[in-house]
Amino acid sequence: QVRLVESGGGVVQPGRSLRLSCVASGFTFGSNGLDWVRQAPGKGLEWVAFMSIDGDNKYYADSVKGRFTISRDNSKNTLFLEMSSLRLEDTSVYFCARNSERGSLDYWGQGTLVTVSS
Amino acid sequence: FFLTQPPSVSVPPGQTATISCGGDNIGIKNLDWYQQKPGQAPVLVMYDVSARPSGIPERFSGSNSGNTATLTINRVEAGDEADYYCEVFDRNSARRIFGRGTKLTVL
Repeated sequence: QVRLVESGGGVVQPGRSLRLSCVASGFTFGSNGLDWVRQAPGKGLEWVAFMSIDGDNKYYADSVKGRFTISRDNSKNTLFLEMSSLRLEDTSVYFCARNSERGSLDYWGQGTLVTVSS
Repeated sequence: FFLTQPPSVSVPPGQTATISCGGDNIGIKNLDWYQQKPGQAPVLVMYDVSARPSGIPERFSGSNSGNTATLTINRVEAGDEADYYCEVFDRNSARRIFGRGTKLTVL
């Protein structure tokens, strides 16, 4: 079955960097676009970034553009989110999610918590 | 581009819940709905406005009219209590946009 497992979350000081990983299994990793979506404590879902199958297309939310970088290693079935210049408001659970053929997010990981705190 | 959802909807068990999602030209967009229960990841419950993914009960249906999309849950059960989010990918801005979510309470 399709499985997405995020890791790399933790507590980090403002201005520092962190890299999240999402390891996929149960499907042909190189056949789907992938997204990162986050959710601040007690808040709604906020889209963060998208990466196409071949990596040629990357899109970012305005709130993270220039600070976050999405990438993927199809040989390792892994999606990454490199986060720099972290801010207090970046504190969230970060989910990775697979794009279906129709562009919907049909499978999600369980998320990894990033806490930005001094 | 924004998606507008009511903050909350409450219905007794066995009744019908309708959750709306408003946005400009929403009728021409591929709109999806996600269900999220406390402490869990979201689950896709409707895609392309009215298509149900495998495993989602037939009690769930979707529609749109004008600038409003609607998720309808017939014969609501206690297990349907969750937050529901609508979402579209706005091709003009290359952004995926979520509504702010609607908390469904089963009375």
